[in-house]
Amino acid sequence: AQSVSQHNHHVILSEAASLELGCNYSYGGTVNLFWYVQYPGQHLQLLLKYFSGDPLVKGIKGFEAEFIKSKFSFNLRKPSVQWSDTAEYFCAVNINYQLIWGAGTKLIIKP
Amino acid sequence: DTGVSQDPRHKITKRGQNVTFRCDPISEHNRLYWYRQTLGQGPEFLTYFQNEAQLEKSRLLSDRFSAERPKGSFSTLEIQRTEQGDSAMYLCASSLLASGGGVEQFFGPGTRLTVL
Repeated sequence: AQSVSQHNHHVILSEAASLELGCNYSYGGTVNLFWYVQYPGQHLQLLLKYFSGDPLVKGIKGFEAEFIKSKFSFNLRKPSVQWSDTAEYFCAVNINYQLIWGAGTKLIIKP
Repeated sequence: DTGVSQDPRHKITKRGQNVTFRCDPISEHNRLYWYRQTLGQGPEFLTYFQNEAQLEKSRLLSDRFSAERPKGSFSTLEIQRTEQGDSAMYLCASSLLASGGGVEQFFGPGTRLTVL
């Protein structure tokens, strides 16, 4: 069955640290890939997406992600995090009509 | 606000009661999805509609769950004879079917159900 794995359930960083959140999926066909973010008390919002083309995609708020097809990975990165990045981050894979989600990573940024 | 809206935002009910949730998608979106999310997990797909047609239901969706989208606009999700295991956040999302794939889903705030 298709699945999405996020390697870290909780990450704590200091402001200005670099961030990388891992995401791997299991599916051999064509996929569309997403990172969503959920800030405290808010609903899920799209951070960035990959459909085709350049495997390095840039999203909002300085986030980027790289699709590596050979590794079935779509890791999220940000060179310098801010306190306002405290949130839960979800990786999702669109296969046909539905999104299959990872369990999420709770990111806490210490001021 | 033209985003996805859900009502109610919170629902507390006793075991055995029926509950109904409503979702209003973004107006021009022809696809509507329902997901369930429990603590510490990502959302799980329940069902989706294209216009008024329900095209797929997850095996997670027991016979106690039913969803409708009668006119291809808003949708309702009903849970009959609720059980404590139904306690979760129920999320609605909508999207615009695009040729060539690559469909972005927009999410509502969710309805948090607590079954006592």
